[in-house]
Amino acid sequence: DVKVTQSSRYLVKRTGEKVFLECVQDMDHENMFWYRQDPGLGLRLIYFSYDVKMKEKGDIPEGYSVSREKKERFSLILESASTNQTSMYLCASSLGTLNTEAFFGQGTRLTVV
Amino acid sequence: GENVEQHPSTLSVQEGDSAVIKCTYSDSASNYFPWYKQELGKRPQLIIDIRSNVGEKKDQRIAVTLNKTAKHFSLHITETQPEDSAVYFCAAITSWNTGNQFYFGTGTSLTVIP
Repeated sequence: DVKVTQSSRYLVKRTGEKVFLECVQDMDHENMFWYRQDPGLGLRLIYFSYDVKMKEKGDIPEGYSVSREKKERFSLILESASTNQTSMYLCASSLGTLNTEAFFGQGTRLTVV
Repeated sequence: GENVEQHPSTLSVQEGDSAVIKCTYSDSASNYFPWYKQELGKRPQLIIDIRSNVGEKKDQRIAVTLNKTAKHFSLHITETQPEDSAVYFCAAITSWNTGNQFYFGTGTSLTVIP
C-alpha cells in the first residue's frame, strides 16, 4: 500500500510565524504535490516537484515556498503565516510515468490566529 | 494551463436513485481523467479513472464516460447508497516532460438520503 504521511493533522500558529508542513511518501514516487483545500474552491495546486531539488509553481504559490532535498520528502513552508492561509493542506504523490493516479496524505488543518 | 469545471457543486438524491456529476476541461493534451471520493475527514481516494483512448468504463455501480471531442467527462453512480455520500472530485491530467500535472475540479458534495 502506498503511504503518504503528513507530519501533523492539526496545527495552530500565530500570524507572522514561519510554518513547516512535512510530507513523506514511501513508494519512490517522482512527483509530489501540495494542494490547499477550501470550501467551494476545490483543490488548488500550490507547488509541485517532479524530482529532487526540482519545483514548479502551481496556481497559488504566493506566500509559500517548498523544499525537496530527498525524493521521499516534500516540505511546504509558509514564510510568514497570515490568517488567510488558514486552510486544509493536502500533500499528494504519483509516479512520473504517464496516466498514473495520485495518492493523498491525510491532510493538515492549519489555523493561523 | 488546464481549466477543469465541475457541476453541480451540491447534489442530493434519494437512496436507490442515480447521481451524475459532470466535468469539462480545456486542454486537448489532457489524457487521463481520474475521479476521487473524499469522505468527511478523510483523504481523497481514487474510485475510477479513464484514459483518453476509451469512451466509457464501468466498475460495479460506478461508471465514467469521456467525450474527447467535446472535452467533457461524467461520473455516474447507480443505485446510490448512504455510504456514497461524500465529496467527489474530477481531475484532468496532462503529461509534461517534467511529470504529470493534475488539475482538479471544485468538487461535488453528494448527499444520499435514506
